[in-house]
Amino acid sequence: KQEVTQIPAALSVPEGENLVLNCSFTDSAIYNLQWFRQDPGKGLTSLLLIQSSQREQTSGRLNASLDKSSGRSTLYIAASQPGDSATYLCAVTFGNEKLTFGTGTRLTIIP
Amino acid sequence: GAVVSQHPSWVICKSGTSVKIECRSLDFQATTMFWYRQFPKQSLMLMATSNEGSKATYEQGVEKDKFLINHASLTLSTLTVTSAHPEDSSFYICSARSPSGEDTQYFGPGTRLTVL
Repeated sequence: KQEVTQIPAALSVPEGENLVLNCSFTDSAIYNLQWFRQDPGKGLTSLLLIQSSQREQTSGRLNASLDKSSGRSTLYIAASQPGDSATYLCAVTFGNEKLTFGTGTRLTIIP
Repeated sequence: GAVVSQHPSWVICKSGTSVKIECRSLDFQATTMFWYRQFPKQSLMLMATSNEGSKATYEQGVEKDKFLINHASLTLSTLTVTSAHPEDSSFYICSARSPSGEDTQYFGPGTRLTVL
């Protein structure tokens, strides 16, 4: 069964610190991997998309890496800000072209 | 960028009634749309894949007669929750994939359904 796991479920970090969110998946035969942000009661905002042939993608203070062989991806957030507080979801497109979502990490940046 | 809208953003209904949720791609045509359900503090679970002009493909465990999906045009898909019950209360999110070959899905803002 293709599964996506995110640990920890919740994380609190003081403002200004760098942080890493983790995502692991059970099947290395992925098509791509995406990181999303979800604010409470809202839809999803796409942050970064990494194709299976890529190792990382960067957008501003965000950097996402992909290691297919180990079945892991990380989302690095530099110089965290209170506005970064949200739930971050990792989603993997496996060969069947369906997105499988992780359970998310609820991030709180403490001012 | 590609924008997907949903209507309504929230709805409250009585048990036994039916509710229709619309998903529109505003600035692109989408041959494929997806419907997800998210229960509180849980992740998104794919309910069905909606293809324009054909029947939807439902995920295992999702009742097709209860969750009616219609994708009548390249910019509109609808999800109708029939004979809604309190356990159907959830956050329903749609997404659309552009036919241009892009890999990403564009997500709508979601619809909060509360069944009393």
